[in-house]
Amino acid sequence: DAKTTQPPSMDCAEGRAANLPCNHSTISGNEYVYWYRQIHSQGPQYIIHGLKNNETNEMASLIITEDRKSSTLILPHATLRDTAVYYCIVRVGSEKLVFGKGTKLTVNP
Amino acid sequence: EPEVTQTPSHQVTQMGQEVILRCVPISNHLYFYWYRQILGQKVEFLVSFYNNEISEKSEIFDDQFSVERPDGSNFTLKIRSTKLEDSAMYFCASSEGSQETQYFGPGTRLLVL
Repeated sequence: DAKTTQPPSMDCAEGRAANLPCNHSTISGNEYVYWYRQIHSQGPQYIIHGLKNNETNEMASLIITEDRKSSTLILPHATLRDTAVYYCIVRVGSEKLVFGKGTKLTVNP
Repeated sequence: EPEVTQTPSHQVTQMGQEVILRCVPISNHLYFYWYRQILGQKVEFLVSFYNNEISEKSEIFDDQFSVERPDGSNFTLKIRSTKLEDSAMYFCASSEGSQETQYFGPGTRLLVL
């Protein structure tokens, strides 16, 4: 089973920041937090990952709490094309990714 | 930007038939994966492959499944005798290293009738 907890759905207005939370209270010290998204039934798309420092790339920012028990993915200016299911994944020490149900983000015009 | 490609995008087959799903991973990647997603369900790991060997597999990956890297570019998933419950999206992924970021292909939608 996935080691993360995410809200099943969220809404966001177009142009506003989308903040997607994730709880991973059992994360261990060497486990990374990864975020992927899936638009319709397309292949999961990598967004960002981090260990303990906050990270930013051209797609999003990742804020990880100091105790590493939770994180937030931030899409700074959400567009309609950001409507997708967002998955927060903690690598479980093996090669595989374990996907949960994710958060279905709907960006509204 | 390099990407993982998969063929075909859609495949329809009769129950009991063999199917081969093909993937071309990103060229400098060494680790390869198959995942599947039954309609409305989670993405599930099937198998990982490195150095011409399976390195990890799930309970789903039973004897009817096999993987192969027949040449320097392709990575295939074979289902020997398809069942109705094999109908799903099948995603290939690749990564540079075992703990590196995995990049996914667009998927093959398999429908078993």
